[in-house]
Amino acid sequence: SAVISQKPSRDICQRGTSLTIQCQVDSQVTMMFWYRQQPGQSLTLIATANQGSEATYESGFVIDKFPISRPNLTFSTLTVSNMSPEDSSIYLCSVQDRVAYEQYFGPGTRLTVT
Amino acid sequence: GNSVTQMEGPVTLSEEAFLTINCTYTATGYPSLFWYVQYPGEGLQLLLKATKADDKGSNKGFEATYRKETTSFHLEKGSVQVSDSAVYFCALIPTRAQGAQKLVFGQGTRLTINP
Repeated sequence: SAVISQKPSRDICQRGTSLTIQCQVDSQVTMMFWYRQQPGQSLTLIATANQGSEATYESGFVIDKFPISRPNLTFSTLTVSNMSPEDSSIYLCSVQDRVAYEQYFGPGTRLTVT
Repeated sequence: GNSVTQMEGPVTLSEEAFLTINCTYTATGYPSLFWYVQYPGEGLQLLLKATKADDKGSNKGFEATYRKETTSFHLEKGSVQVSDSAVYFCALIPTRAQGAQKLVFGQGTRLTINP
């Protein structure tokens, strides 16, 4: 299974600012995913990020609010822009092992917006 | 559409009790089914999976059987421990096909085991 790290692990931010979350994988992967987990809730997919192409966003999520970069096969970033308290969540990245047909998750970034 | 429904939590048990967390799904075709576990303050870990009907996934004493006739994938463990306290998520990937495979999650079930 892939080993995934995220930075930062947590942050407290002021409303109106932006935060960029980094996701690093220990092996090359084609597909990376970004999820949001609001307090006490399940996971919601924000977007799918393939290397060399624009990210594909799910309904309710837009690029202006959640810009994503995918510069190579082991790294991605998610930016949460113009934050409001409603953006307070855990943000998780994941990768898919297409051979084993499994998805693995990073430890998450716990964001609090005040 | 595709969806996953889990039993309502929270669930509280005593150590060494038998555990069942119910999970049913709605999907077209032949989905793959998963259980993930989230320990306090951590990300999700894949606990077990099953990719076709009648498959049984197992790991760390947990088991779940893919039942297509009842569209279910219930999680069971014969004797729980305090260290099993976590949130458990049932999930599916709709079809085994090319392209991005999007996990569809249930709402999660919080399990607390008391000593």
